[in-house]
Amino acid sequence: KQEVTQIPAALSVPEGENLVLNCSFTDSAIYNLQWFRQDPGKGLTSLLLIQSSQREQTSGRLNASLDKSSGRSTLYIAASQPGDSATYLCAVQETSGSRLTFGEGTQLTVNP
Amino acid sequence: KAGVTQTPRYLIKTRGQQVTLSCSPISGHRSVSWYQQTPGQGLQFLFEYFSETQRNKGNFPGRFSGRQFSNSRSEMNVSTLELGDSALYLCASSIRQGTGNIQYFGAGTRLSVL
Repeated sequence: KQEVTQIPAALSVPEGENLVLNCSFTDSAIYNLQWFRQDPGKGLTSLLLIQSSQREQTSGRLNASLDKSSGRSTLYIAASQPGDSATYLCAVQETSGSRLTFGEGTQLTVNP
Repeated sequence: KAGVTQTPRYLIKTRGQQVTLSCSPISGHRSVSWYQQTPGQGLQFLFEYFSETQRNKGNFPGRFSGRQFSNSRSEMNVSTLELGDSALYLCASSIRQGTGNIQYFGAGTRLSVL
């Protein structure tokens, strides 16, 4: 059974700092990995999707990497801003359908 | 293009009642998935519908059911509500991208069971 773990569970940083969020998964037979952002009481916003054949994806200040063989992904946020404060979730897709297995999330606080 | 729309946004029910939640996917998306989010269990997959057929099912009791209509809109039903069913219910529609699917989530329906 696939298990997804995110470390750390919570992170507090000053504005402007670069930071890395970690995600690990136990079964490397995945179709893709997706990073999401969730603001309190809201739905999920898709940030980046990495296909199983890709090593990384970039969008603005965000860069996500994927190492399938070691079962790891990282989300790098450059020059963090208070508006980046949210919970970040990673999820893996294992089957040809749309079922995602989520980690518990990292709660990020960026202090002005 | 409009995003995923879930209605209602908030719902209060009492134990033993039943509830129906609705999800309208992004235009052109044929797959709709449902998830339950609670502080203790995190995000858990309920089921997925594709072209009006259930394609995947999570580990939830039979009280949780769903269906999908010909226009891809989906409904989720929970019968005989329990206190533990209080949660944020999220719907996602997806479209094929590469080897897998990219998923887009709605704002959710927050269900409180009293």
